[in-house]
Amino acid sequence: QSVLTQPPSASGTPGQRIIISCSGSSSNIGGHSVSWYQQLPGTAPKLLIYNNNHRPSGVPDRVSGSQSGTSASLAISGLQSEDEADYYCAAWDDRLKGPVFGGGTKLTVL
Amino acid sequence: EVQLVQSGAEVKKPGESLKISCEGSGYIFTKYWIGWVRQMPGKGLEWMGIIYPGDSDTRYSPSIQGQVTISADKSISTAYLQWSSLKASDTAMYYCVRFSTSFDYWGQGTLVTVSS
Repeated sequence: QSVLTQPPSASGTPGQRIIISCSGSSSNIGGHSVSWYQQLPGTAPKLLIYNNNHRPSGVPDRVSGSQSGTSASLAISGLQSEDEADYYCAAWDDRLKGPVFGGGTKLTVL
Repeated sequence: EVQLVQSGAEVKKPGESLKISCEGSGYIFTKYWIGWVRQMPGKGLEWMGIIYPGDSDTRYSPSIQGQVTISADKSISTAYLQWSSLKASDTAMYYCVRFSTSFDYWGQGTLVTVSS
């Protein structure tokens, strides 16, 4: 059972916009910034969003993040086949005194 | 260019010891936390612990504490993850990560297989 809760799966068709949610509590998302990671099949995860809504260089602007209260979300617009991957959210947790991950969401592009 | 390069895959027997490594380059190694993240087969990401190579301050996940040792040698910009007695349940991919407010750079991963 992960500290941060994500839906196990999501799907969309090419060109569509999808949103992946991440729910936490006041000890993590409610008080700390959220980051998102993309893990393509058979590869190491890669940072997609940091500080709730900032993109590292190289991440396209069709990817965005937001945070409100104890929840966060990742939006991907103009869905492409290469977006098919697992996505994880993460945030610092004051109770555990360390970072915590969501359980991951498997995105399928139909 | 920031890079974290990990040591190669390992196959071990239960009860054996193991130390895997992660060499950082392209940045000041002593100025950033280095962490380890575990991914068991078919499962999600789990933070194990972090170390600040500048002063060796180390923090462990409560669920991992006592099972592994995290260390670093700043003279060669290398972090380590060590087991004294492996179990079959330690079979996983292990990633080293640079940590600031997020895990911004990841190593390629080291696959550890523990089987009799």
